[in-house]
Amino acid sequence: GQNIDQPTEMTATEGAIVQINCTYQTSGFNGLFWYQQHAGEAPTFLSYNVLDGLEEKGRFSSFLSRSKGYSYLLLKELQMKDSASYLCAVTDSNYQLIWGAGTKLIIKP
Amino acid sequence: ETGVTQTPRHLVMGMTNKKSLKCEQHLGHNAMYWYKQSAKKPLELMFVYNFKEQTENNSVPSRFSPECPNSSHLFLHLHTLQPEDSALYLCASSQGNGAAETQYFGPGTRLLVL
Repeated sequence: GQNIDQPTEMTATEGAIVQINCTYQTSGFNGLFWYQQHAGEAPTFLSYNVLDGLEEKGRFSSFLSRSKGYSYLLLKELQMKDSASYLCAVTDSNYQLIWGAGTKLIIKP
Repeated sequence: ETGVTQTPRHLVMGMTNKKSLKCEQHLGHNAMYWYKQSAKKPLELMFVYNFKEQTENNSVPSRFSPECPNSSHLFLHLHTLQPEDSALYLCASSQGNGAAETQYFGPGTRLLVL
């Protein structure tokens, strides 16, 4: 079966750095997405990785290792507004998006 | 504001009711999606439309009936639902349905079935 694993919940301190991991087992791989979803709001696109390595976009970076079936989202200089759920999703060989259950990130002052 | 709107935002219905959810995208996209989001579970893809043609139906019960009259509008018709159908229903759109296509989501309809 197809599976995306990510931690259910994480807590971090304002101003700090946090890494949210995602591991996947899918039938084929055509890219990995990270989305952010604030409570009661729509998921919004953060990043897309299809090649191995690190993609940096401001305070957020996303890393991919296809051989390990692993990705992480790195958030730097955390702000209170970063409190949200972070969703990992993989496009499989049929171009279907397989979603993880999301990681709820709680930022404390 | 993602360019995808959904109405209503909240809906309470009995098991014998019939209601419809509406989604509209203002992005000029060709693909539209319905998802079900339950607490602490992954997003479940329900239906996919590409250029108004249904391309995906992930074994969704027939009490959910989609309709896509044009590339900008998507409906989900609901009838004789069950309490376990209570969830957040999200609509999304993308330019196409290829591998690297970013999906843009609406804010969702929070549905409660009594």
